[in-house]
This record gives sequence, C-alpha cells and structure tokens, in this order.
Amino acid sequence: DAKTTQPPSMDCAEGRAANLPCNHSTISGNEYVYWYRQIHSQGPQYIIHGLKNNETNEMASLIITEDRKSSTLILPHATLRDTAVYYCILQGGSEKLVFGKGTKLTVNP
Amino acid sequence: DTEVTQTPKHLVMGMTNKKSLKCEQHMGHRAMYWYKQKAKKPPELMFVYSYEKLSINESVPSRFSPECPNSSLLNLHLHALQPEDSALYLCASTLQPGSNQPQHFGDGTRLSIL
Repeated sequence: DAKTTQPPSMDCAEGRAANLPCNHSTISGNEYVYWYRQIHSQGPQYIIHGLKNNETNEMASLIITEDRKSSTLILPHATLRDTAVYYCILQGGSEKLVFGKGTKLTVNP
Repeated sequence: DTEVTQTPKHLVMGMTNKKSLKCEQHMGHRAMYWYKQKAKKPPELMFVYSYEKLSINESVPSRFSPECPNSSLLNLHLHALQPEDSALYLCASTLQPGSNQPQHFGDGTRLSIL
C-alpha cells in the first residue's frame, strides 16, 4: 500500500503558483520523497526528489517539513501544460515504486 | 520525448493470440520494470529486472511472461489474455537496482483484449 496521502483534486489559475501537499507521517529515515506527474496518455515523468532539505530544479520546488511528515510540491508559475496527475511517492532503496492515487491538478486559463 | 521507447503504442488482440510488448533504453540503466495501469488508476508494479535477472514478480498470472535478453531490452510476452487485462502497460528503467535514482518511463502500450 502507498504510504502517502494526497488530495484527490486541485485547481490553479494559469500563471499562479500551484502548491500540492502530501502527507507521509510514517516515513522512515532512509526514505526519499519523490514526485512524478502523469499527463494524459503519457507515461509518468519524474519531477523532483528530496530527503530532508528543500530542493529546487527547473521544473519545481520541494518543501519538506522539519519532521519529514509532510511535503509540498510547488510549481511557481503554472501553465495549461502542467495539467496532470501528480504522485507523491516514498522511495527508500527498495526496487519497488508504490504509486498512491495522486492529485489531479487542473490549471485553468 | 521519452528516453524509454515502447512498441507498439497500441495493440488489439484476441484472447487466443500470442503477442509481445517491447521496451528499449540506451541510457545504461541496469534495472527495468513493467507496470500495469487501468483507466483512472495509478500504475501497479508487475515485474522488476535487476542486471538482466528477474528480481521481483508481483504475483502476476503466468499468461504474462517477461524477458530481458540484454541490458537495453525488455519484453513482455502475452498469451491467452483475458478482457480484464486490457490496460496501459508501462515500462521504466533506473540507473541501478535499489538506488535512490528516479525511474524513467516510456509512454506505454495501450492493450485491448477482445
């Protein structure tokens, strides 16, 4: 079973920041927080991952709370092409990747 | 564009047919994966290959038979499938088995069983 909890859906206005929350209260010390997204009719796409510190790349920022029990993915300036299902996944050196139900983000014009 | 290539993109087959799905990557990744995704559901892991050896089989029915002929290629052989096997089949790869590296996914083969 997935160890993360995400809201089933969110809306965001184009050009605004999209903040996607994820709860992972049972996270283990060696587990990383990974974010993927899946645009309709495509395979999942890796976005970003982190262990303890906040991370930023060209796609997004990842904010992890100090107790590591929750995190937020931030898309700073959402576009229509960011409409997708976003998955928050814990990965800790296992070969398995267990997807939860994810958050369906809709970016509106 | 994806660095993991899956063929065919679409496949329609009868329940008595035998067909194969193909996945290819040239990134030097040594772990490869098959996932099954039903409509409006998240992907579910089926098989994992580590260094060309089958390391995980998630209790998948024997009508699905994976094969890893070399480090770049992964096949999924299909035989006597059922209508409920209709789904999107995704292939993925990562640099090393068990490493904290992201998985790279193909765009999948959409399979329909008549």
